[in-house]
Amino acid sequence: ETAVFQTPNYHVTQVGNEVSFNCKQTLGHDTMYWYKQDSKKLLKIMFSYNNKQLIVNETVPRRFSPQSSDKAHLNLRIKSVEPEDSAVYLCASSYGTGPYEQYFGPGTRLTVL
Amino acid sequence: GEKVEQHESTLSVREGDSAVINCTYTDTASSYFPWYKQEAGKSLHFVIDIRSNVDRKQSQRLIVLLDKKAKRFSLHITATQPEDSAIYFCAASMDTNTGKLTFGDGTVLTVKP
Repeated sequence: ETAVFQTPNYHVTQVGNEVSFNCKQTLGHDTMYWYKQDSKKLLKIMFSYNNKQLIVNETVPRRFSPQSSDKAHLNLRIKSVEPEDSAVYLCASSYGTGPYEQYFGPGTRLTVL
Repeated sequence: GEKVEQHESTLSVREGDSAVINCTYTDTASSYFPWYKQEAGKSLHFVIDIRSNVDRKQSQRLIVLLDKKAKRFSLHITATQPEDSAIYFCAASMDTNTGKLTFGDGTVLTVKP
């Protein structure tokens, strides 16, 4: 049963364009995460929010900017995409700042041509 | 920062045999060690975790062992079934304020009938 929803499922775009991804969780969690999974399946944390406050901000290019309107929603914007941004972006949520079990969404697959 | 090494990149077993996946971590402050499963074309799904106050945990056919001295933990899957075939990721967290996870590179487990 899906409780972490991501849109879109797929997105194909050209180098230099801007893209936005959305994530919503209905689990009542207060912490949400963005991960990047590359073509080799390697997983890296990018950002984490707790109750709309940024608590994890890994070393990622400045063209990536997360945003949280409330504890159930987390968005990711990429300004001027690069080919190396092609990946699956996974959203996750957990109860509290944990560490606790994280629930993952289905992912958004980004292809940059 | 924390580094997690997953020793087996691929593992193939016969149905009914046991599978063991080993991970090591670098930071002695790490205290939470979850395992996630990713089936083909799907997102990550939590399977089991262990915290540093215990050295063994079992959930049905899954056993996790933790050796804090060696900074090593392992996932044992007993009586394997074809549906156990997937990529398994180990992870570690030392941060109780953010729940940030550092993942291993994944082990592709194939269970042959």
